[in-house]
Amino acid sequence: EAGVAQSPRYKIIEKRQSVAFWCNPISGHATLYWYQQILGQGPKLLIQFQNNGVVDDSQLPKDRFSAERLKGVDSTLKIQPAKLEDSAVYLCASSFIPQRQETQYFGPGTRLLVL
Amino acid sequence: GNSVTQMEGPVTLSEEAFLTINCTYTATGYPSLFWYVQYPGEGLQLLLKATKADDKGSNKGFEATYRKETTSFHLEKGSVQVSDSAVYFCALFLSGSARQLTFGSGTQLTVLP
Repeated sequence: EAGVAQSPRYKIIEKRQSVAFWCNPISGHATLYWYQQILGQGPKLLIQFQNNGVVDDSQLPKDRFSAERLKGVDSTLKIQPAKLEDSAVYLCASSFIPQRQETQYFGPGTRLLVL
Repeated sequence: GNSVTQMEGPVTLSEEAFLTINCTYTATGYPSLFWYVQYPGEGLQLLLKATKADDKGSNKGFEATYRKETTSFHLEKGSVQVSDSAVYFCALFLSGSARQLTFGSGTQLTVLP
């Protein structure tokens, strides 16, 4: 089966510009996650969707970050305006349902550099 | 809160050496435990998991045992290969209101031929 798809793979922008990332989860996976992975650190959850509803966005900087999941499938994460500290890899993951044994499947990530 | 502490890297080994990467956790409740691996330029892949105390997860020659008494989930492999060079992340997952993966900071492993 196809894995989690993300685009673009790389993005370079200047601070105060806006940027958007796209994610297509594994078919049939109801739960979708966006993580931020800063160099040298583990991924940190930004937002979790169950179908097209938000389950947890407590760690999303809502003054500049937004995310949506239209029709419970694809998702877009946006940053506006970007700051230097937003330079990171943005990972999308999906799982069938968020039970304790459930495996999350990760996409290849989008590497963002803010200059 | 919940947290995962991993052995700091980088770790450099010769091919066929024994590998141990330490992982300990703090959690309110009984988490499931995971090891993920991240190869250069790629996303994370699940390596193995254990869902309850004394369970042993294994895959591709890697093993880890869920030790509740020491709150640990150390990753081991008897004979590493060059192709095992990657970053390894220990993580925990708790069901309930905080249904999310909490990751350690990762351990970079380099295996030399």
